[in-house]
Amino acid sequence: GAVVSQHPSRVICKSGTSVKIECRSLDFQATTMFWYRQFPKQSLMLMATSNEGSKATYEQGVEKDKFLINHASLTLSTLTVTSAHPEDSSFYICSAPSGTGDINEQFFGPGTRLTVL
Amino acid sequence: GQNIDQPTEMTATEGAIVQINCTYQTSGFNGLFWYQQHAGEAPTFLSYNVLDGLEEKGRFSSFLSRSKGYSYLLLKELQMKDSASYLCAVMDSNYQLIWGAGTKLIIKP
Repeated sequence: GAVVSQHPSRVICKSGTSVKIECRSLDFQATTMFWYRQFPKQSLMLMATSNEGSKATYEQGVEKDKFLINHASLTLSTLTVTSAHPEDSSFYICSAPSGTGDINEQFFGPGTRLTVL
Repeated sequence: GQNIDQPTEMTATEGAIVQINCTYQTSGFNGLFWYQQHAGEAPTFLSYNVLDGLEEKGRFSSFLSRSKGYSYLLLKELQMKDSASYLCAVMDSNYQLIWGAGTKLIIKP
């Protein structure tokens, strides 16, 4: 199956700093990527849809100026958490639809555990 | 509103069979997915149903009834490594995935 990578897998930062998370599709092109956040014992919450070459679409309640998304190429999307605070500590996961066959299957990156002190 | 319901937690015995149910109410339907998620890891794809009926894939099977807004994931010959959360997700008319909160499955020896 298709492979999606994320980097870093784990990051600890001080409050007020910015953190960039990369999401790459390794063996396929992804014009669309999705960014999710998952708090402990909760389901995935879609934050935004990243579109190659255009602005991201943010879900209601997600601050676009705080969570900056850039989809500069067909294989890379980045999420930057600006001025991170402890409440931003979460598991961030990206995914990309494979776009092959009839199944709109999404392939997930391994996730990034963000801890803001 | 859109809603996906599945039990919070289930317990089963190694070697046994377990059925995890999922009911949904969504704006349109373009398929139902089951994912497995181990603690601290990203979800991995298990199955996809878009037509009514049973899809079998090894020890795992998934069933769908669109008229009832109902699906189940059936796991046979349970192994300890099957201890994980199982997420039900429905793709709505906008091709967005609506996620259930997941069912934590605990396997006991």
